[in-house]
Amino acid sequence: GAVVSQHPSRVICKSGTSVKIECRSLDFQATTMFWYRQFPKKSLMLMATSNEGSKATYEQGVEKDKFLINHASLTLSTLTVTSAHPEDSSFYICSATSAEREGFYNEQFFGPGTRLTVL
Amino acid sequence: AQSVTQLDSQVPVFEEAPVELRCNYSSSVSVYLFWYVQYPNQGLQLLLKYLSGSTLVKGINGFEAEFNKSQTSFHLRKPSVHISDTAEYFCAVSIGTSGTYKYIFGTGTRLKVLA
Repeated sequence: GAVVSQHPSRVICKSGTSVKIECRSLDFQATTMFWYRQFPKKSLMLMATSNEGSKATYEQGVEKDKFLINHASLTLSTLTVTSAHPEDSSFYICSATSAEREGFYNEQFFGPGTRLTVL
Repeated sequence: AQSVTQLDSQVPVFEEAPVELRCNYSSSVSVYLFWYVQYPNQGLQLLLKYLSGSTLVKGINGFEAEFNKSQTSFHLRKPSVHISDTAEYFCAVSIGTSGTYKYIFGTGTRLKVLA
């Protein structure tokens, strides 16, 4: 299978600070990574799609300057929540896929998620 | 526009009883279909997927799903549930063109297995 990790699993920060979340594909090269946000008892909301080496594509309504996404290598993407506020508290999940790996059929492989709490 | 509908937000069922979680989608193009399970404070775990071929797909933990193109459905079934199956279940459709595939998720169904 394909394994995706996220770090940290939980983070608590003060309002106004920035928080970085890492998403890594451990056993494959991810040409595309996705970032989702999940509110309690709700479905996953796609925030942005990032391809290695290019700018992320954000979904409508997602603030680009608030949620900075960097996909600097084929195994690492980062999400930075800048100047976090309590309303940014949520469960953030990343996923990864590879258009170049035979058999992936555009399936996404999900990380375990990061619980962000902003005080 | 493409969409995924999970009609049941919650499904209570007694242990060892059968269960069906419904998923309908709308799309004018070919799709890939997935069912995921999510336990509290965890990520998504793939249960099964339909890519092509046989319309009856078997997955992990005794789950299976049937792709019905005419009814645009992909319902998830299990003949006998366990307490440990209590979780949130999401249906997803992967759509797009080469190089730009995205998932559309349903709103989820909370399966609660009762003793």
